[in-house]
Amino acid sequence: DGGITQSPKYLFRKEGQNVTLSCEQNLNHDAMYWYRQDPGQGLRLIYYSQIVNDFQKGDIAEGYSVSREKKESFPLTVTSAQKNPTAFYLCASSIRGQGNYGYTFGSGTRLTVV
Amino acid sequence: SQQGEEDPQALSIQEGENATMNCSYKTSINNLQWYRQNSGRGLVHLILIRSNEREKHSGRLRVTLDTSKKSSSLLITASRAADTASYFCATDALGSGSARQLTFGSGTQLTVLP
Repeated sequence: DGGITQSPKYLFRKEGQNVTLSCEQNLNHDAMYWYRQDPGQGLRLIYYSQIVNDFQKGDIAEGYSVSREKKESFPLTVTSAQKNPTAFYLCASSIRGQGNYGYTFGSGTRLTVV
Repeated sequence: SQQGEEDPQALSIQEGENATMNCSYKTSINNLQWYRQNSGRGLVHLILIRSNEREKHSGRLRVTLDTSKKSSSLLITASRAADTASYFCATDALGSGSARQLTFGSGTQLTVLP
């Protein structure tokens, strides 16, 4: 079955550490996205990528980094520069340039700073 | 930036009743989408309505769009306990070209009591 896989489901980070969240899709979608969700809030866009080897900052990119070396993969690194990283992180993908399709989401990674 | 804002923030109804959620947005759009999120999970795409459409149906879901008022509503008929979830509207802004990205509202938490 096609879909998006995020791992791990839960992640704990110590102060000052970088951590990487994995996102893999087998839907052959060109576009991939990372969103952050805080309790009781909507989604805020961190980074997005329309094609391999290209990505753009979203609304809250500071303290995060991404790479897009393969079409299937769009990992997100939460760096030590992100002062309040505890949140629920969601990865999504879509057909590029086709605005009349919805996004497919992964099941999320819950990151907690300890 | 969050363009869509849902109303109400929380809604509690009895099983069998209808649930109506509203979404307002600020800029011109290509389309508006509704998503559902069960607690601690990813979002699931429910329905998409294009800017030149006024009403759309999918099973027990009915979506309306009024571009003159920049608003949309989602009606869930004959609600079930399994409909308990958060519901988000998302807008695909006009003029974003190939760099399309959705902007999500803060969501309506729907509770359906058995």
